[in-house]
Amino acid sequence: SQQGEEDPQALSIQEGENATMNCSYKTSINNLQWYRQNSGRGLVHLILIRSNEREKHSGRLRVTLDTSKKSSSLLITASRAADTASYFCATSDNDMRFGAGTRLTVKP
Amino acid sequence: EADIYQTPRYLVIGTGKKITLECSQTMGHDKMYWYQQDPGMELHLIHYSYGVNSTEKGDLSSESTVSRIRTEHFPLTLESARPSHTSQYLCASRAGDYTQYFGPGTRLTVL
Repeated sequence: SQQGEEDPQALSIQEGENATMNCSYKTSINNLQWYRQNSGRGLVHLILIRSNEREKHSGRLRVTLDTSKKSSSLLITASRAADTASYFCATSDNDMRFGAGTRLTVKP
Repeated sequence: EADIYQTPRYLVIGTGKKITLECSQTMGHDKMYWYQQDPGMELHLIHYSYGVNSTEKGDLSSESTVSRIRTEHFPLTLESARPSHTSQYLCASRAGDYTQYFGPGTRLTVL
């Protein structure tokens, strides 16, 4: 299955620092998406990057995609305590699948 | 806020009971999904649908069933709940641009 796998599993940083999370996948894709999940809630879509794009920005988020390495990274700049959440990547197919996510903790 | 709803939000029931978790969306999306997620763990795809009268099983072996009689409605049923079914159940629908919209989830506890 086209399941994204996030790395690291957990990340703890201080407020103001940047956070980088990585995602690897196995097969060719049309696009890759990043989602955020606050504890006990549903996932919220953050950003989508198409297979012909290499980098995309949205506010403090920067996503890169390397289709030759089948990997993507999500960078959150100038992190805030409110960014504390789990972050998931997913590759698009007829049936969306998610990995275990990266649990980000931003300490005030 | 996405227009996708799940009820109930929390449910505590005894073993052997039949339950139905409701999911509805008002966005007209054809594709809908059910995921099971234990706290802090990955999401497991248990069922999905491409549209009315379409239902498919996902990766995780599940004793639940789903139906898709109307576009907006995708209920999940457990015929006989067991403690191993205790988990959070997330429903989602997918837009044409591949964006998935998730409901708030149902946290199920089976005693």
